[in-house]
Amino acid sequence: KAGVTQTPRYLIKTRGQQVTLSCSPISGHRSVSWYQQTPGQGLQFLFEYFSETQRNKGNFPGRFSGRQFSNSRSEMNVSTLELGDSALYLCASTTGGTSGYTFGSGTRLTVV
Amino acid sequence: KNQVEQSPQSLIILEGKNCTLQCNYTVSPFSNLRWYKQDTGRGPVSLTIMTFSENTKSNGRYTATLDADTKQSSLHITASQLSDSASYICVVSAQKNNDMRFGAGTRLTVKP
Repeated sequence: KAGVTQTPRYLIKTRGQQVTLSCSPISGHRSVSWYQQTPGQGLQFLFEYFSETQRNKGNFPGRFSGRQFSNSRSEMNVSTLELGDSALYLCASTTGGTSGYTFGSGTRLTVV
Repeated sequence: KNQVEQSPQSLIILEGKNCTLQCNYTVSPFSNLRWYKQDTGRGPVSLTIMTFSENTKSNGRYTATLDADTKQSSLHITASQLSDSASYICVVSAQKNNDMRFGAGTRLTVKP
């Protein structure tokens, strides 16, 4: 079965712009989580959605937001981009509980 | 202070040699511990998942151990291959909300 699909793979934006990233989870997975990964900070949790509801939120400013649709697909949005937002953004899905998370390949965002 | 500490930060070994990566955590109450392998520019891929009652789990040449009393885990790689070159990330989940904490990872380089 298809894995977690993230689009686009690469993105270059200018400071002050906004960006929307997309994640399609594995079929049947209702939980979708987003992470930011940078060389200096490693993987950091952004938020988790389950059945269209945000279930958990990490310690990121309000410029970072997300949503989940009825088909479990999820989007995350970053407004007023800053240079420090340059990172690999990863999405992961799971059926829940102690099941493992399956990650997508990520979207590499570069802010110039 | 990060609740999941990994060591070493980086490691270089020759092809065919064995190596062991360490993960110490303070996450409590403990739910499960996962080891992920992440190739450069790709999303992490799950290697093993261990719960409180499990102290050893293998996945091919990868063997993870867990000592829940000392809050330590290790990932042993046997007969390393060039394709093992990657970052290995330890992820510990707390029982509350399945909150995940990430280690900074160990960067493994296998040389011919």
